[in-house]
Amino acid sequence: DSGVTQTPKHLITATGQRVTLRCSPRSGDLSVYWYQQSLDQGLQFLIQYYNGEERAKGNILERFSAQQFPDLHSELNLSSLELGDSALYFCASSVGTGGGFEQYFGPGTRLTVT
Amino acid sequence: SQQGEEDPQALSIQEGENATMNCSYKTSINNLQWYRQNSGRGLVHLILIRSNEREKHSGRLRVTLDTSKKSSSLLITASRAADTASYFCATVPAVNYGGSQGNLIFGKGTKLSVKP
Repeated sequence: DSGVTQTPKHLITATGQRVTLRCSPRSGDLSVYWYQQSLDQGLQFLIQYYNGEERAKGNILERFSAQQFPDLHSELNLSSLELGDSALYFCASSVGTGGGFEQYFGPGTRLTVT
Repeated sequence: SQQGEEDPQALSIQEGENATMNCSYKTSINNLQWYRQNSGRGLVHLILIRSNEREKHSGRLRVTLDTSKKSSSLLITASRAADTASYFCATVPAVNYGGSQGNLIFGKGTKLSVKP
């Protein structure tokens, strides 16, 4: 158990809908990262927050947004969903930022868009 | 965009044998990390090696890094059935790479199968 929690574990929704994925980092970790894992694209970094502020953006679509709240939990919002958004979404946390820290991954949310 | 590329894509060995996985990357890096993922589950951090280090050990794991060749290898000695998983290398680029400066860029992984 990494100490990172993600809810829900599974999500099935229709195209065009909007969903929110939630992540609670390990106690004491200030950085939260979001990744998307699909068969064709592999593991893609989406976005990072550090202590409530956006720190880095990767391959995140404009239809996706995220935020980190004062209690450090984070939410990833996916809107206007398409079939291609079906994937595993992971949240990870680390104590610091800048890439020199190991990241602890949550169990993931499996999103299926039908 | 992928930075790292693992080789082989799949590896099948018998329990007790050693498993070697390789990773090549494109840009200069701050550090390189190896992660393990059991089927459909979260990733588990195995080892981090910094750009000024050449070799690191952790239990049955040995990681080497050759920055001149932009490559790394992960050796698992005396493998066990429980080592069956996908193994990913992830680099932290030293320069902004696809907007991900300071963050992990993963390869596509090596799927290791250890038969009892």
